Amino acid sequence: DAGVIQSPRHEVTEMGQEVTLRCKPISGHDYLFWYRQTMMRGLELLIYFNNNVPIDDSGMPEDRFSAKMPNASFSTLKIQPSEPRDSAVYFCASSFRQGTTGELFFGEGSRLTVL
Amino acid sequence: GENVEQHPSTLSVQEGDSAVIKCTYSDSASNYFPWYKQELGKGPQLIIDIRSNVGEKKDQRIAVTLNKTAKHFSLHITETQPEDSAVYFCAARESGGSYIPTFGRGTSLIVHP
Repeated sequence: DAGVIQSPRHEVTEMGQEVTLRCKPISGHDYLFWYRQTMMRGLELLIYFNNNVPIDDSGMPEDRFSAKMPNASFSTLKIQPSEPRDSAVYFCASSFRQGTTGELFFGEGSRLTVL
Repeated sequence: GENVEQHPSTLSVQEGDSAVIKCTYSDSASNYFPWYKQELGKGPQLIIDIRSNVGEKKDQRIAVTLNKTAKHFSLHITETQPEDSAVYFCAARESGGSYIPTFGRGTSLIVHP
């Protein structure tokens, strides 16, 4: 399996622009997570899905952030409009709950820089 | 909800020395404690885990210990090597609850050759 695939790996944009980050989870996994990593806050859980349904979005910082999972093999995290404080590495992770420890498999991350 | 504290935030050792990273948790219902390693430019990856019915678990140079009474658990790396340099995250999770792990802030381990 190719693992969790994220794109783009790097994104540089200007304040006010829309940013869309993409994630393809591991086939067969029923949970998908979006995390944000910064030096100040560490790993923050933004939102997670179970069977494509958003379960908890309480970590989403504000209305500028939105996430969707239209099918089991694709999810997006959108920031509109972007601000410099959104600069961070965004990780997508997936896991399979039933009968397992629920290990999280992370993608390599999308590094976002907002100028 | 669960709160996980991790110390130290940075740890610098000489190659061959041992390294210990400590975590405490707040929710007594937590019973699963994984450790993740994040290498530079990569996502975190599970390296070892421990359940609450076990006090210690070893895997080659890595060991984890758990003290449920005190609500703390630790990662021990012996005979450190430069390739052990990474950020390590501890986490705690209740298996029957929300299922979502709560992560510590991470420890940056630097192993000097």
